[in-house]
Amino acid sequence: AQSVAQPEDQVNVAEGNPLTVKCTYSVSGNPYLFWYVQYPNRGLQFLLKYITGDNLVKGSYGFEAEFNKSQTSFHLKKPSALVSDSALYFCAVRPPYSGAGSYQLTFGKGTKLSVIP
Amino acid sequence: DAGVIQSPRHEVTEMGQEVTLRCKPISGHNSLFWYRQTMMRGLELLIYFNNNVPIDDSGMPEDRFSAKMPNASFSTLKIQPSEPRDSAVYFCASIFRQSGNEQFFGPGTRLTVL
Repeated sequence: AQSVAQPEDQVNVAEGNPLTVKCTYSVSGNPYLFWYVQYPNRGLQFLLKYITGDNLVKGSYGFEAEFNKSQTSFHLKKPSALVSDSALYFCAVRPPYSGAGSYQLTFGKGTKLSVIP
Repeated sequence: DAGVIQSPRHEVTEMGQEVTLRCKPISGHNSLFWYRQTMMRGLELLIYFNNNVPIDDSGMPEDRFSAKMPNASFSTLKIQPSEPRDSAVYFCASIFRQSGNEQFFGPGTRLTVL
């Protein structure tokens, strides 16, 4: 079974500084990896995904993530944080296709990002 | 497209009452997922459907929970009888399996059972 770990419950960063939200995963085969963001009282919004190809993936709102197979990591990054980036961030993984049950995602517990003005 | 639609957005009920949550997936999507989010347990997958057929309901907490998808554009999650520990935010998400891989989430239903 697959799993996702987000080792930090909370990350604080000053506005304008680079930010990193960490994610490691465990899955059989080549993973499909995702980042979602959740603003207060809202549903999850898709940010970016890694399926195959370039290890550096660019997504919405200036976010990017780097897939590292040897370290089984998929850390979310942004060069310059904005106060409006403050939200809850979820990493998710699913295995490669192997049948009808392959499409379900396993989510991490989430990391609360606070960008301080 | 209006995105995934859920109703009601908020539901307050008393213990023992029946609760029905509704979801309309994005038109053309062929898989639908129900999740529950709490502070203690995070985001949990309850059940999911492919082409209106339940594929995996191992996340449904107990027999008080049931879900149906009578057609491609509508699904319900029912709790009968409800208990205070069912209080959570319930999300519905959908996907078109053959094209994208990311799930699209609805705004959620915040359920409070008194």
